Amino acid sequence: GAGVSQSPSNKVTEKGKDVELRCDPISGHTALYWYRQSLGQGLEFLIYFQGNSAPDKSGLPSDRFSAERTGGSVSTLTIQRTQQEDSAVYLCASSLPWGADYGYTFGSGTRLTVV
Amino acid sequence: DQQVKQNSPSLSVQEGRISILNCDYTNSMFDYFLWYKKYPAEGPTFLISISSIKDKNEDGRFTVFLNKSAKHLSLHIVPSQPGDSAVYFCAASGTGNQFYFGTGTSLTVIP
Repeated sequence: GAGVSQSPSNKVTEKGKDVELRCDPISGHTALYWYRQSLGQGLEFLIYFQGNSAPDKSGLPSDRFSAERTGGSVSTLTIQRTQQEDSAVYLCASSLPWGADYGYTFGSGTRLTVV
Repeated sequence: DQQVKQNSPSLSVQEGRISILNCDYTNSMFDYFLWYKKYPAEGPTFLISISSIKDKNEDGRFTVFLNKSAKHLSLHIVPSQPGDSAVYFCAASGTGNQFYFGTGTSLTVIP
């Protein structure tokens, strides 16, 4: 597709369950980012993938969060043992390699609600 | 600690007038800045950027101004249109792999 695709668009889960969020970046974009936006907060960086390099995981808030990027394309963000404070909109973005002038292209996000 | 701050959560402007959205940052190493626009239920879309070697960048109705000494940037929209009503995020980056985003300003342009 032409844009960044995220699924599901909405996810309601019970506290303690694991969830997987999927991101399909724009073809040819080697960089992929996960951000989240909690209510009333700015966009919070989570993790960054660039090509075959080791990902920058410095933004992951706890070891319950992990992400993979298979084949340099699709990425999955996994949250284990979800907590209510994990409720947020999770946004994926992709871009050309660092240094491109046009920033990221974001997906529409996954709204996660932990009840 | 919020490194990029947008202190006005909301702004209302009459159609045709100028909208000025402000953003402050704390890290003097930031050298690249972006503005994004976000409509409800959509991801943010890139609007305009500026690097620290410039103090102004213009694209149609949108102009971004950067004041490095004050660690301040602003987005001017003139003339404002109802379709500009959205949440605007500023973002800043230094040498790392990530952008730091502000909390956003919700702009309402009144017809």
